[in-house]
Amino acid sequence: DSGVTQTPKHLITATGQRVTLRCSPRSGDLSVYWYQQSLDQGLQFLIQYYNGEERAKGNILERFSAQQFPDLHSELNLSSLELGDSALYFCASSARGNGNTEAFFGQGTRLTVV
Amino acid sequence: DAKTTQPNSMESNEEEPVHLPCNHSTISGTDYIHWYRQLPSQGPEYVIHGLTSNVNNRMASLAIAEDRKSSTLILHRATLRDAAVYYCILGLSNTGKLIFGQGTTLQVKP
Repeated sequence: DSGVTQTPKHLITATGQRVTLRCSPRSGDLSVYWYQQSLDQGLQFLIQYYNGEERAKGNILERFSAQQFPDLHSELNLSSLELGDSALYFCASSARGNGNTEAFFGQGTRLTVV
Repeated sequence: DAKTTQPNSMESNEEEPVHLPCNHSTISGTDYIHWYRQLPSQGPEYVIHGLTSNVNNRMASLAIAEDRKSSTLILHRATLRDAAVYYCILGLSNTGKLIFGQGTTLQVKP
């Protein structure tokens, strides 16, 4: 158990809909990362937050947005969903999020868009 | 962003050492080298990370070239449970990003 909790574990929704994925970081970790992993693909970095502020942005679509709340949990919002958005979405947390501390990953949310 | 290059797949026999190579020729002087592994249907798991010196922990060793343009993850005695995708990642010091490459699929044969 990494200490990072992601909910829900599975999500099935229709094209055009909007969903929210939730991540609770490990106790004491200030930074949260979001990644997308499509079938047979590597992990694509989406976005990173540190102590409530956006720190780094990757290949995140405009239809996607995220935030980190004062209690440090984070949410990833995906809207106008397309079939191609079907993927595993992982959240990770780290103590400082500065590239030199290890990150701990949750078990992921499997999103299926039908 | 800097990137890493790894072989797509490697094979090993159980209880033998495994050396997983990674090239990161565009690494900057303060970027850290991380290794994670991922089992099917699970989130990535931290293995080891370092900056310049070789690093050891209970899971593995990390050997970093003197010019830091390459590194090698060493599993001293592979077990069947070590079969996974191994990712060599750069922890970017200027942004904090952890950028994953395509990874190496390690197969361990009994």
